[in-house]
Amino acid sequence: EAQVTQNPRYLITVTGKKLTVTCSQNMNHEYMSWYRQDPGLGLRQIYYSMNVEVTDKGDVPEGYKVSRKEKRNFPLILESPSPNQTSLYFCASSLSPDRVNEQFFGPGTRLTVL
Amino acid sequence: GNSVTQMEGPVTLSEEAFLTINCTYTATGYPSLFWYVQYPGEGLQLLLKATKADDKGSNKGFEATYRKETTSFHLEKGSVQVSDSAVYFCALNAGGTSYGKLTFGQGTILTVHP
Repeated sequence: EAQVTQNPRYLITVTGKKLTVTCSQNMNHEYMSWYRQDPGLGLRQIYYSMNVEVTDKGDVPEGYKVSRKEKRNFPLILESPSPNQTSLYFCASSLSPDRVNEQFFGPGTRLTVL
Repeated sequence: GNSVTQMEGPVTLSEEAFLTINCTYTATGYPSLFWYVQYPGEGLQLLLKATKADDKGSNKGFEATYRKETTSFHLEKGSVQVSDSAVYFCALNAGGTSYGKLTFGQGTILTVHP
């Protein structure tokens, strides 16, 4: 089954404790992206990747890091989480950047930073 | 820059009522426009799209027409069902320097009662 998986689905942590949210897709997609969803703000792009070893900042990259060492994986790293990073996070992938509207979205990771 | 504005929610309707969710946009060039739906506990799914002026996107009884003169892409459905209860996002892809990037509106929560 074609899918985007994220782990963990739920995470409660404390300020400053490094964490990683994993994202994996099994569709051989080139393009992957991370979004955060906040009430009243919709989805905002954090980082995206056009292909392996190619990543770029989205609209709200501060406080986040990503890597793309393999095509299928695109982990999101919070080196020193803060309460303003409490949010619902979605990973997404598409075959190529020009098919971004056909993105497959993961189920989401709800992060709470205390 | 590019932006999408949706009508304030939440929207509460009775089954079989007519639905309109307004969406207007600001973009350089000629963007492609989309509506996404997010069911409870899930990621986003593409509902419909329109890639040029006067195009009408349609799917599952929902329709939206790309109106360049009013920079709008309002979502409509003639008779809603309880199963349509979800969050709806309007989005655009402006291409050019925004290649591979989606800009989302803030989302509109729809609740349909029996």
